[in-house]
Amino acid sequence: QVQLVQSGAEVKKPGASVKVSCKASGYTFANYYMHWVRQAPGEGLEWMGIINCGGGDTTYSQKFQDRVTMTRDTPTGTVYMELSSLRSEDTAVYYCAREVALGVGAVPYWGQGTLVTVSS
Amino acid sequence: EIVLTQSPGTLSLSPGERVTLSCRASQSVSGRQLAWYQQKPGQAPRLLFHGASSRATGIPDRFSGSGSGTDFTLTISRLEPEDFAVYYCQQYSRSYTFGQGTRLEIK
Repeated sequence: QVQLVQSGAEVKKPGASVKVSCKASGYTFANYYMHWVRQAPGEGLEWMGIINCGGGDTTYSQKFQDRVTMTRDTPTGTVYMELSSLRSEDTAVYYCAREVALGVGAVPYWGQGTLVTVSS
Repeated sequence: EIVLTQSPGTLSLSPGERVTLSCRASQSVSGRQLAWYQQKPGQAPRLLFHGASSRATGIPDRFSGSGSGTDFTLTISRLEPEDFAVYYCQQYSRSYTFGQGTRLEIK
């Protein structure tokens, strides 16, 4: 069965960077795209970007274009999301999520979420 | 960017009632590339529909999705206690965006 297991909670100071990992299993890693979505406390879902786990190409939301980097490590089946220049507004739960099928952007498989807290 | 506007923001209903949630897009969503999600507190979202009306695995048939172009709806024919949650629509026609959500609460 498809499983996405994310790294643990992080506490960062403003201006720092955070790198969240998402380890996939139960399917052929390189055959799908992975999304990153975040959710601030009490707020809605916000799409951050997507990575092709096969080719490694990425597309980022314009909002995060200058601060986010998504990468993948094919041998371990792990994707990473790094967000830099953190500010308090970046405090949120960050999710990785896999598409239902190649090129179909709906996401039925989600990681458990990683809480990133930005505080001085 | 396609902006999705969900209405109403909050609905207070009783178990057994029928409910229709709306998702309106600022531009046409081609190929009905729209999904619906349910989210409960402390949990990741759960996919209900993709392609506007294709029910995801394990979703009860009291849920239905419809619509095309700029207007989409999610209907729950008879509310069960476990259906009280927040519902989001998402388009994947041009990049990806989510609506702001509709909270369905028990009256």
